[in-house]
Amino acid sequence: AQTVTQSQPEMSVQEAETVTLSCTYDTSESDYYLFWYKQPPSRQMILVIRQEAYKQQNATENRFSVNFQKAAKSFSLKISDSQLGDAAMYFCAYRAQRDDKIIFGKGTRLHILP
Amino acid sequence: GAGVSQSPSNKVTEKGKDVELRCDPISGHTALYWYRQSLGQGLEFLIYFQGNSAPDKSGLPSDRFSAERTGGSVSTLTIQRTQQEDSAVYLCASSPGPGVFEQYFGPGTRLTVT
Repeated sequence: AQTVTQSQPEMSVQEAETVTLSCTYDTSESDYYLFWYKQPPSRQMILVIRQEAYKQQNATENRFSVNFQKAAKSFSLKISDSQLGDAAMYFCAYRAQRDDKIIFGKGTRLHILP
Repeated sequence: GAGVSQSPSNKVTEKGKDVELRCDPISGHTALYWYRQSLGQGLEFLIYFQGNSAPDKSGLPSDRFSAERTGGSVSTLTIQRTQQEDSAVYLCASSPGPGVFEQYFGPGTRLTVT
C-alpha cells in the first residue's frame, strides 16, 4: 500500500528565514507524482508545487523548492524568505500515474514568527 | 464560477439524522473527488467520479455513505444515520479529466454531529 509520512507535526521559523518540511513516502510504483499542498485557516487546499517522478530536476516555484530523492523516497519542501502569509498546514501528497486518487500525509503546521 | 464551491459551509446535526453535502465543480471539469479530513489528520479519499459514474468508491467508510453526480456536474455526498465519528471537514475537488494530475479543491463543509 502507498503511504505518505510527515514526521514533523509542527514547525516554527523566523520571518525571512528558510525552513524545510520533511516527507517520505512508500510505493512500488515507478510512475507517480508528488505534491505539496498548503491549507490556510480558510480550509482551501492550494497546490504549492508538484514533481513528476520521472524528472530528475527538482521543481521550483518562486520561494518554494523541493528536494526529491527518488531512491530514498524522500520529498522535502524548502521555503525561502518565509513570509507571514506562509503560515498554514502543509500536506505532502502522492498520486500514482495509473490512479486518480491522491494520498495525503497528516500534515505539518508551520508557524511564522515575526 | 471561478472555483469549486461547496455548501453548506458548516453543518451541525444530531446523531442519527441524515445529511447532504453539495459540491459544484469547476465548469467543464469531468473528474470529481470527495475527501474527508478528520481533526488532526490528513485527507482521506472517499470516492471519485468520472462524468456521472464512480469507478472508485473504495474510500467510502460504510454503507451509510453514498454519493451521486448528475449531469456531469453537481455532486451530493449523503451520510445516513450520522454518528459522532462522522464529524469532519468534507472536501471536494475537481479536475479537467482523468490523467490530469492537478486537483482543484473547494473550501469544504465542516460537519459536526452532536
